[in-house]
Amino acid sequence: QKEVEQDPGPLSVPEGAIVSLNCTYSNSAFQYFMWYRQYSRKGPELLMYTYSSGNKEDGRFTAQVDKSSKYISLFIRDSQPSDSATYLCAMRVGGGADGLTFGKGTHLIIQP
Amino acid sequence: DAGVIQSPRHEVTEMGQEVTLRCKPISGHDYLFWYRQTMMRGLELLIYFNNNVPIDDSGMPEDRFSAKMPNASFSTLKIQPSEPRDSAVYFCASSLVGAPKTQYFGPGTRLLVL
Repeated sequence: QKEVEQDPGPLSVPEGAIVSLNCTYSNSAFQYFMWYRQYSRKGPELLMYTYSSGNKEDGRFTAQVDKSSKYISLFIRDSQPSDSATYLCAMRVGGGADGLTFGKGTHLIIQP
Repeated sequence: DAGVIQSPRHEVTEMGQEVTLRCKPISGHDYLFWYRQTMMRGLELLIYFNNNVPIDDSGMPEDRFSAKMPNASFSTLKIQPSEPRDSAVYFCASSLVGAPKTQYFGPGTRLLVL
């Protein structure tokens, strides 16, 4: 079992829909949780980060972390065609362990 | 400010040849990371440096891979000899000390080993 599991998709939804992206993980030591967005043939760019459990909102994006279930989510409201990309969850332990462990990414398609 | 800079952007080489990938981190950042991305395995950490010192190289696949950071503004990842299974996109990322140590990624080097 990989440390971080993420459904690769593709996930196709109509414009304006609410999108839910999810990851599960097995290492209970993870404390920092991130979502990266990657457009085709580009490097990942940080979208959201949260520390420990809880919710964080930024515009149309909401990140949720449930450490008891080892489950993290990213919600996108009022989805736009420009949101079409691959979304990667990432996490790290913190302290001196700085390398990120990534999910394989979910390919999201927003249909106009 | 310029982001993370990687060169070359594309590299095609033949099996057995030496390949050198280069990275210039964001000025002032003190962490530098090398990742590899493939369809099969996703994005994997290879090695990272703090203040030019290698901290964790447990992700380096084998002795054919080596990485150096001679100064704060330059790092190399070398593969010798290269093999077809090394074909991937190699990303460099940098970050600044302090939570959450957000990592900023470069555009990547797309490597194809024939």
